Order: sequence, then structure tokens, then C-alpha cells
Amino acid sequence: GAVVSQHPSWVICKSGTSVKIECRSLDFQATTMFWYRQFPKQSLMLMATSNEGSKATYEQGVEKDKFLINHASLTLSTLTVTSAHPEDSSFYICSARMTGELFFGEGSRLTVL
Amino acid sequence: DAKTTQPPSMDCAEGRAANLPCNHSTISGNEYVYWYRQIHSQGPQYIIHGLKNNETNEMASLIITEDRKSSTLILPHATLRDTAVYYCIVSVPHDTGNQFYFGTGTSLTVIP
Repeated sequence: GAVVSQHPSWVICKSGTSVKIECRSLDFQATTMFWYRQFPKQSLMLMATSNEGSKATYEQGVEKDKFLINHASLTLSTLTVTSAHPEDSSFYICSARMTGELFFGEGSRLTVL
Repeated sequence: DAKTTQPPSMDCAEGRAANLPCNHSTISGNEYVYWYRQIHSQGPQYIIHGLKNNETNEMASLIITEDRKSSTLILPHATLRDTAVYYCIVSVPHDTGNQFYFGTGTSLTVIP
């Protein structure tokens, strides 16, 4: 199947700093990527849809100025958590769609101290 | 936003078939049913999907009722490595293509 890669797989940062997470489709082009967030023992929550060459579409309740999404190329989308706080600590997962199937990255675990 | 309901947890004996039910009573005619599973702290893994007909692949079988209001994922011979959270998802059409909203999933434990 298609491969989606995320980097970093885990990151620890201080409160108030910004953290960037990359999501790459390694063997296919993805005009649309999706960002999810998952808290412990909970399901995945869709945060936003990332569209190549245009602005991301955010789900209701997700702050677009807090979670900056850039999809500058057909193989790369980035999520930047700005001015991170401990409550932003979570597992962030990206996915890309190809021929109707959704392929997920391995996730990035963010811990904000 | 999720259009599915699943039992929160199930157990299955190793080597036996695991039957995971899912209700999606508000599904529309052009919406597919997808199944993914997630092993702890990893990204979800695709299992199978279908629209109307039953589907089978090397991992599992998907049985969709005739009215499409429910479906069952069947793992024919469960192994310990099948212990995971299984998500049934109805893909929602969107301007840029289908979106996938996850429900609460079923935590399957395969018992030796």
C-alpha cells in the first residue's frame, strides 16, 4: 500500500514554543491530506483538511491560528502548533487519500512541558 | 460527526472468528463503509471497505446488510496480533473528496 511518513515521531517542547510536524506521501501525490488529534484512550478527532495550494479547512472548534497548516507541495503537508501549552500535548496523526483509500502516518507524539 | 456506533469492547478466543458489528443507520446511498484498526500508539491501518456488496480480502470479510444500516467485520481466525481498536467509518462526501470521521471504535482483545 501507499506510504505516509511523519516526522518527528515524538517531540518534547517547552510551553510557549512552536512545534512543526511534517507529513509526507512517499510514493504518491496527495492533493488532500488530513490532520487528526488523539488524546489517550480516545478516538481520532479530525482537525483539518489540508489542500495543496490553498487554505486548509478546519473543523468546528479547531483554532486555525493555533494550528497552522501548510500544504505547499503534492507530497508534503505541515502542521505547526503555535505557542504550545500542556493541554496541546497529544498524538497527532496525518493521512493522505489515494483512490478512495485513506493512508495514515505513524503519528507524532507531542509533549509540552 | 461520526455516523457509526460500535460496542466499546469485545473478547475473542485465539483461532476463532471475531465478528465486530457496526451500526450506521443514517448512511446515504453514496457513502462507503470503511474499517480501520489501530494498535496502541500507531497510525490506523486500513482493513477493508465496501458500498453494498460483501467484500473479502486477505485480512478480513465485510458483510453489509441489504438495507446498509449495519455491517459486520469478520476476522476469520483471530490471532493475538489482532488485538487492537477497530474503527468502522462512514466516509462523508466533501468538496475535496470523502472525509473520514472516526467513532469510538471497538477494542478487541484476542485471548490465548
